[in-house]
Amino acid sequence: GAVVSQHPSRVICKSGTSVKIECRSLDFQATTMFWYRQFPKQSLMLMATSNEGSKATYEQGVEKDKFLINHASLTLSTLTVTSAHPEDSSFYICSALRQGIETQYFGPGTRLLVL
Amino acid sequence: KQEVTQIPAALSVPEGENLVLNCSFTDSAIYNLQWFRQDPGKGLTSLLLIQSSQREQTSGRLNASLDKSSGRSTLYIAASQPGDSATYLCACQGGKLIFGQGTELSVKP
Repeated sequence: GAVVSQHPSRVICKSGTSVKIECRSLDFQATTMFWYRQFPKQSLMLMATSNEGSKATYEQGVEKDKFLINHASLTLSTLTVTSAHPEDSSFYICSALRQGIETQYFGPGTRLLVL
Repeated sequence: KQEVTQIPAALSVPEGENLVLNCSFTDSAIYNLQWFRQDPGKGLTSLLLIQSSQREQTSGRLNASLDKSSGRSTLYIAASQPGDSATYLCACQGGKLIFGQGTELSVKP
């Protein structure tokens, strides 16, 4: 299957700092990528849809100024959590959409802990 | 708005049992349905993908069925093993991929 990577896999930061998470599609070009958040014992919730060359589409309740998404190339999308707070601590997972078969391939996730 | 529900939320079985996990969805206009496995603190592993035109998919001891008309899918695990212990998620791909809450499976030796 297709491979999607995320970096870093784990990050600890101080409250008020910004953290950037990268999502890369390694073996196909993805015009559309997705960012999900998963709190403990809960399912994945879609945060936003990242579109190459255009602005991301955010789900209701997700602050676009806090979660900055950039999809500057067909293989890379980044999520920046700005001014992170402890309540932003979560597991962030990205996926890349393989068009034609309309299937998303998921990255391994990034564990964010904000102290 | 698509809603995906998984029953049961948790399941504990002795090793060797056959078991069924259930997934229901409210909107039948889907491209496909996927079953994933997630180990604690880890990402998702795709197990089976059923296209909307298909009725079932099989991989090893796993069999997934899809009944769009009734809005249901089942994941059948044969001869369960302790290594099958994980959370199993189903997800429906329409305009967006919508996940169920998952079933936490524990297989006891």
